[in-house]
Amino acid sequence: SQQGEEDPQALSIQEGENATMNCSYKTSINNLQWYRQNSGRGLVHLILIRSNEREKHSGRLRVTLDTSKKSSSLLITASRAADTASYFCATPNTGTASKLTFGTGTRLQVTL
Amino acid sequence: DGGITQSPKYLFRKEGQNVTLSCEQNLNHDAMYWYRQDPGQGLRLIYYSQIVNDFQKGDIAEGYSVSREKKESFPLTVTSAQKNPTAFYLCATSDRGDYEQYFGPGTRLTVT
Repeated sequence: SQQGEEDPQALSIQEGENATMNCSYKTSINNLQWYRQNSGRGLVHLILIRSNEREKHSGRLRVTLDTSKKSSSLLITASRAADTASYFCATPNTGTASKLTFGTGTRLQVTL
Repeated sequence: DGGITQSPKYLFRKEGQNVTLSCEQNLNHDAMYWYRQDPGQGLRLIYYSQIVNDFQKGDIAEGYSVSREKKESFPLTVTSAQKNPTAFYLCATSDRGDYEQYFGPGTRLTVT
């Protein structure tokens, strides 16, 4: 079953704008991860935020985590056409830390 | 994608034939995973292995089989019992105690 659900399913913005996508999950977690997938390719790890962190930055990426609401958001600032991809959140399964459950993804389209 | 190879990139088979997808890694990671991705969907875990000579079923193992005879290799066989085998298959690895997963470039399997 899907632990994470991303919202929106699809997002279209112009270059230079910010893109925000959200992830909700169901059970307690030790961390939450965001991955990116270009069309027809494998996933690439972007950022991991631990349950005791509220916000984390990496370049133009900002991730927040609200464990009380069981939700996370990924903000991409000053988007570029090259940011066009699908973005997935993933959470470790309780009991088997090495397993991840992925959400359904947000398809981001950045136009010139 | 560096460090994990999946071959071939595209694979075509007739219905009723078994087919084996290759996944090789040189990252010296203990854990390996197989996921299936259908168009516009997230990833679903087929099988995973945390150590050589041991593997566990994921969420959708029916119609699939794996082996883990070497640390570097985790081949996936799609058997004729798998009802809808056409999909994009992704292999991933992770290091012991590390939550982050590293993905191969994927194999797109088409069964007609």
